[in-house]
Amino acid sequence: RKEVEQDPGPFNVPEGATVAFNCTYSNSASQSFFWYRQDCRKEPKLLMSVYSSGNEDGRFTAQLNRASQYISLLIRDSKLSDSATYLCVVRSGGAQKLVFGQGTRLTINP
Amino acid sequence: SQTIHQWPATLVQPVGSPLSLECTVEGTSNPNLYWYRQAAGRGLQLLFYSVGIGQISSEVPQNLSASRPQDRQFILSSKKLLLSDSGFYLCAWSLGFNTEAFFGQGTRLTVV
Repeated sequence: RKEVEQDPGPFNVPEGATVAFNCTYSNSASQSFFWYRQDCRKEPKLLMSVYSSGNEDGRFTAQLNRASQYISLLIRDSKLSDSATYLCVVRSGGAQKLVFGQGTRLTINP
Repeated sequence: SQTIHQWPATLVQPVGSPLSLECTVEGTSNPNLYWYRQAAGRGLQLLFYSVGIGQISSEVPQNLSASRPQDRQFILSSKKLLLSDSGFYLCAWSLGFNTEAFFGQGTRLTVV
């Protein structure tokens, strides 16, 4: 079983829609969690950290469920510029390692 | 502010040739450093990470090695490249534990 698993998609949604991704992780000792965004042929860039109480950054909301070992990302009022691959990231291995999910590809259609 | 430099951006190498990719970080001390590889259409695979000079942890057995000769320098090497070494190589840094990582712009390697 992979340490971090995501639905690879692709997700194709119309502009203005709300879209949600989930990600599951296998190591219950994982300590911190992040969502990254990767544009085609570019490096990943941090979108947001995920806090235990859940957190919001504009149109983006991230949540953590430690009991079920998953994290989620919700994008409201999606824009064309939100089209990208979204990577779920978990710190494990004594928090020294950053383990990436395979990413979920999102396309926002006009 | 901190910056990370990775070069070259693109590289085409013949099978059996050596490889050296360099990554340097500026504006911080004692960062954790990482090398990842991303095959076409795939996720990021952690290759190596380092928490200090000369300290290298390898994640997968492979044709590659890493070294950290200075605090802010991380080098990825191979003595003889294989076709399967083609991919997008990304260097990243973070500070301490439980913090996010920041990536260099990556090197796209094609082994022919």
